[in-house]
Amino acid sequence: DVKVTQSSRYLVKRTGEKVFLECVQDMDHENMFWYRQDPGLGLRLIYFSYDVKMKEKGDIPEGYSVSREKKERFSLILESASTNQTSMYLCASTYTRLNNEQFFGPGTRLTVL
Amino acid sequence: AQKITQTQPGMFVQEKEAVTLDCTYDTSDQSYGLFWYKQPSSGEMIFLIYQGSYDEQNATEGRYSLNFQKARKSANLVISASQLGDSAMYFCALRRRGSTLGRLYFGRGTQLTVWP
Repeated sequence: DVKVTQSSRYLVKRTGEKVFLECVQDMDHENMFWYRQDPGLGLRLIYFSYDVKMKEKGDIPEGYSVSREKKERFSLILESASTNQTSMYLCASTYTRLNNEQFFGPGTRLTVL
Repeated sequence: AQKITQTQPGMFVQEKEAVTLDCTYDTSDQSYGLFWYKQPSSGEMIFLIYQGSYDEQNATEGRYSLNFQKARKSANLVISASQLGDSAMYFCALRRRGSTLGRLYFGRGTQLTVWP
């Protein structure tokens, strides 16, 4: 069974802390994604990666960075967490073919106090 | 820019009835794919159905079917015989062929409530 896992379901951090969200997939997918989801706004793409060490900015990259040192792992980093980064964060992965769906992790609900 | 519009923030349907969730999209691409996902209150995103822009038949998966009207750029999800477990948020998404390598463009979602 295919799997995308995220390191935490719930996380509470303080303003100014450095935050790491980890995502691991076991499907040998080339492409991995980080989204944030806020009520009424749908899913917005933060960053994505199409290969090890390769990354592309999505629609809302400000305040975030990413790391992909291994094919199966894609990390989202909040260098200095702020309260407006309180959100649900979803990781996903997929193959390159057009008809391949994205597989999602369970999500991390991050609260920044 | 790609754009997905879901005009119904919320929909209500009685159990066992059919319901249609609207989705329109805007793209200049000739080749693309359309996806629908379900997100229950637990938060996980569940893939439901896929339609390719060159597919001649409308996609179907069990109780889910896609009413694809390419000229109108619409890809509405039809759920037949609704069940209480269908209550969830539903997202429509567009995938382009080529350089964006698997990126999905999501709509804002429709919250479906099924009542007994």
